[in-house]
Amino acid sequence: TQLLEQSPQFLSIQEGENLTVYCNSSSVFSSLQWYRQEPGEGPVLLVTVVTGGEVKKLKRLTFQFGDARKDSSLHITAAQPGDTGLYLCAGAIYSGTYKYIFGTGTRLKVLA
Amino acid sequence: NAGVTQTPKFQVLKTGQSMTLQCAQDMNHEYMSWYRQDPGMGLRLIHYSVGAGITDQGEVPNGYNVSRSTTEDFPLRLLSAAPSQTSVYFCATRRGVNYGYTFGSGTRLTVV
Repeated sequence: TQLLEQSPQFLSIQEGENLTVYCNSSSVFSSLQWYRQEPGEGPVLLVTVVTGGEVKKLKRLTFQFGDARKDSSLHITAAQPGDTGLYLCAGAIYSGTYKYIFGTGTRLKVLA
Repeated sequence: NAGVTQTPKFQVLKTGQSMTLQCAQDMNHEYMSWYRQDPGMGLRLIHYSVGAGITDQGEVPNGYNVSRSTTEDFPLRLLSAAPSQTSVYFCATRRGVNYGYTFGSGTRLTVV
């Protein structure tokens, strides 16, 4: 069974703090995505990473793909209340056929 | 450019009733999928399609049917609604195996 574990599950921080969310698997991903989901809405794609060691930045968000393409991290600098939401990592694994799996999710709350 | 449009947004069904959740995309993507999202269970794949006329089962297909007669439309049919099908349903589309999904805004279904 391919699992995509995220940690932490829940995170409540003050505005202005930094945070890192982790996404780990025992499987190698051909690509990995991060999404943010707000209440009552569908997940919104933030970024795609495909190369081991790749780093991408989206304003205050920094995404890193592990060298072995089995893990990823999302770092938020100076968090704001607008960053509140459910963060999901997901990716494509090839084992005969491609399978797309979602992580367990990290629920972030940023307090003003 | 609407992306992915799901209707209805909310629905209440009685046990045993049938209904169709509509999904339409204007992105000309071949891949379309239906997910359900439940607390503590994450996103689970119900059915998916890799092109018009091609559909396949996902992780939790029982009680649901799909068809894909056009690239744009991918309706999900509940054959005989059960309380266990109470959930939030998301339709999503992507360009290919190593691309992320664009999600619709979801249908919140309650079966009583």
